Amino acid sequence: GNSVTQMEGPVTLSEEAFLTINCTYTATGYPSLFWYVQYPGEGLQLLLKATKADDKGSNKGFEATYRKETTSFHLEKGSVQVSDSAVYFCALIHSGGSNYKLTFGKGTLLTVNP
Amino acid sequence: GAGVSQSPSNKVTEKGKDVELRCDPISGHTALYWYRQSLGQGLEFLIYFQGNSAPDKSGLPSDRFSAERTGGSVSTLTIQRTQQEDSAVYLCASSPKGLYRETQYFGPGTRLLVL
Repeated sequence: GNSVTQMEGPVTLSEEAFLTINCTYTATGYPSLFWYVQYPGEGLQLLLKATKADDKGSNKGFEATYRKETTSFHLEKGSVQVSDSAVYFCALIHSGGSNYKLTFGKGTLLTVNP
Repeated sequence: GAGVSQSPSNKVTEKGKDVELRCDPISGHTALYWYRQSLGQGLEFLIYFQGNSAPDKSGLPSDRFSAERTGGSVSTLTIQRTQQEDSAVYLCASSPKGLYRETQYFGPGTRLLVL
């Protein structure tokens, strides 16, 4: 079946540090890949997505590249801010049947200290 | 414009009672989804609606769970005879047409606690 594995948290960084959150996936066909973010007390928001191999999604200084050869979609940001503190979820939708169902990783809690 | 709204935001109930959770999707979105977020299981898909019909109910964990959607808009998730393991955050999402690769827009969730 389809699955997403992301690095265990929590991750604690100082402001302006470099961020990487690893995400790998198992899926048949050619899934679309997503990063969602959940800020404290808020709902899930799409951060970025990529729909085919070698695509790079980017938003708010965050980037992730769809790597089919390594089945990965790692999230990076060059300089984090306190306001980036949130839970980050990697997710996929696969290209076969049920191609509307998001499969999520377990989430990574990021805390950024001033 | 308005996003996905859910009510109530919090619900505390006693074991064995029935609860109804409501979702109001983004206007014009034909696809609607329910997910559940719990500590043990993470985020899980429950059910998908296209218009008023539910072609995929595969994620509903038991026959105590049911959902309906009326007028192609508001959806209600009903849990009968609640159990403590039903305690979770129930998330609703919608998307324009339910097409592959569409972004799903999530509501703030309903936090359910079963005592």
